[in-house]
Amino acid sequence: GDSVTQMEGPVTLSEEAFLTINCTYTATGYPSLFWYVQYPGEGLQLLLKATKADDKGSNKGFEATYRKETTSFHLEKGSVQVSDSAVYFCALKSPNNAGNMLTFGGGTRLMVKP
Amino acid sequence: GAVVSQHPSRVICKSGTSVKIECRSLDFQATTMFWYRQFPKQSLMLMATSNEGSKATYEQGVEKDKFLINHASLTLSTLTVTSAHPEDSSFYICSAKGGNYNEQFFGPGTRLTVL
Repeated sequence: GDSVTQMEGPVTLSEEAFLTINCTYTATGYPSLFWYVQYPGEGLQLLLKATKADDKGSNKGFEATYRKETTSFHLEKGSVQVSDSAVYFCALKSPNNAGNMLTFGGGTRLMVKP
Repeated sequence: GAVVSQHPSRVICKSGTSVKIECRSLDFQATTMFWYRQFPKQSLMLMATSNEGSKATYEQGVEKDKFLINHASLTLSTLTVTSAHPEDSSFYICSAKGGNYNEQFFGPGTRLTVL
C-alpha cells in the first residue's frame, strides 16, 4: 500500500538557518504530494503541494520539488524564523483513491531558536 | 481557502460518559468529511470517511459502535465517542472536502481527555 516516510525530529535550528526536512514515498502511479503544517494546539494547514513530477510547490518561503526518480518531496526553506516552529507532515494522495484519502508521514517537529 | 470549524476545542469527561464532537464546513458544502485521531507526537490516523446522507466507512481496527459518526447535512458531521475510557484520550481532527474545492480542509482539532 501507499506509505510516506519522513525524517524523525525534533529538528532544532537557529533563526535564519537553512531547513531541509526529508520525505520519501511509496505509491503506485503518480500520486499528488503535500506538505501540511501544524502549529501548537491547532489543526493542519496545507503549506504547499505538487501534483506531477518535477513540479515545485512553494509558499511562505518554503518549497518542495516532486522528484519521481527518487520518490521524494523534501521540504526546504532558506532562512527559518521562530514563527516557523511547528510540526510538518508530508502526505500523498493516490490517483487510484477516489475517496481523496490522504496518507500521512509521521511528522517532523521543527524548533527554531532566536 | 475554505474554513472548517470544530466544537468543542477541548473537552474533559469522566470515564464511561459519551462525548460528541462537531465538525462544520462554514463556507462550502462538504460532500465528504474525514475523521482523524492523533496521538501525542505522532501522525494522523484516519478513523473513518463519511459521505453526506450515507453510512460512514471505517478504517480497519476502528470500532464503529464506539466511534459513532453522523453526516446528516452538507455542513455538519459529528463524532460521538461512546462510553469513553482514558485510552480514548487523544486529539481528534476532522477534515472536509466538497464544493469547488479539490482538496481537504482541516478543522482545528478537539482535544479529548478522559479521566
